[in-house]
Amino acid sequence: QVQLQESGPGLVKPSQTLSLTCTVSGGSISSGDYYWSWIRQPPGKGLEWIGYIYYSGSTYYNPSLKSRVTISVDTSKNQFSLKLSSVTAADTAVYYCARDYEDGESGFDYWGQGTLVTVSS
Amino acid sequence: SSELTQDPAVSVALGQTVRITCQGDSLRSYYASWYQQKPGQAPVLVIYGKNNRPSGIPDRFSGSSSGNTASLTITGAQAEDEADYYCNSRDSSGNHLAVFGGGTKLTVL
Repeated sequence: QVQLQESGPGLVKPSQTLSLTCTVSGGSISSGDYYWSWIRQPPGKGLEWIGYIYYSGSTYYNPSLKSRVTISVDTSKNQFSLKLSSVTAADTAVYYCARDYEDGESGFDYWGQGTLVTVSS
Repeated sequence: SSELTQDPAVSVALGQTVRITCQGDSLRSYYASWYQQKPGQAPVLVIYGKNNRPSGIPDRFSGSSSGNTASLTITGAQAEDEADYYCNSRDSSGNHLAVFGGGTKLTVL
């Protein structure tokens, strides 16, 4: 059974960089069949796709966030990470990591429990 | 703004059938996936592909698609189906990007 777990600070100051890590267990990031994704949900609002990374390091980002987002992968630790720079209160959200099959037709089948990140001074 | 459009809220009487729709140009090229999200929980995939249910999803959930519209149908809605439902697909650019609909709040009366 694949499991994903987000970790990182729950509070980030405005203008700083938000950093989160997703640890994958029960499956290998290097399997080559999946895109490893970050998705967020502001309080009381809908889901927003942030971006994903393939095990090879290829990345795809939401155009609205692209200038501030970096997603990286560490296959040796079976982890992938999110960095979001120059954060504002609008970046306050629950951040999820999830797995998406590369064919684009199978959906995000496994999700982490989510971690709330608050941007506040 | 989202490239997938959903009605913000839908209601259904207990035991009746309800259809939740999702519209967008990308749906002419890609199937939608559907997620159920209950308060305080992560989304759960309920439908993917043409009409596939992950293991453990009741068969009262089904999916369909026509033109630029995808639909999630719940046949015989149960109280536990009250939740937010989101559709998702690759976007219409063809650049491997993903997009979510704005979500539909389902109330079971």
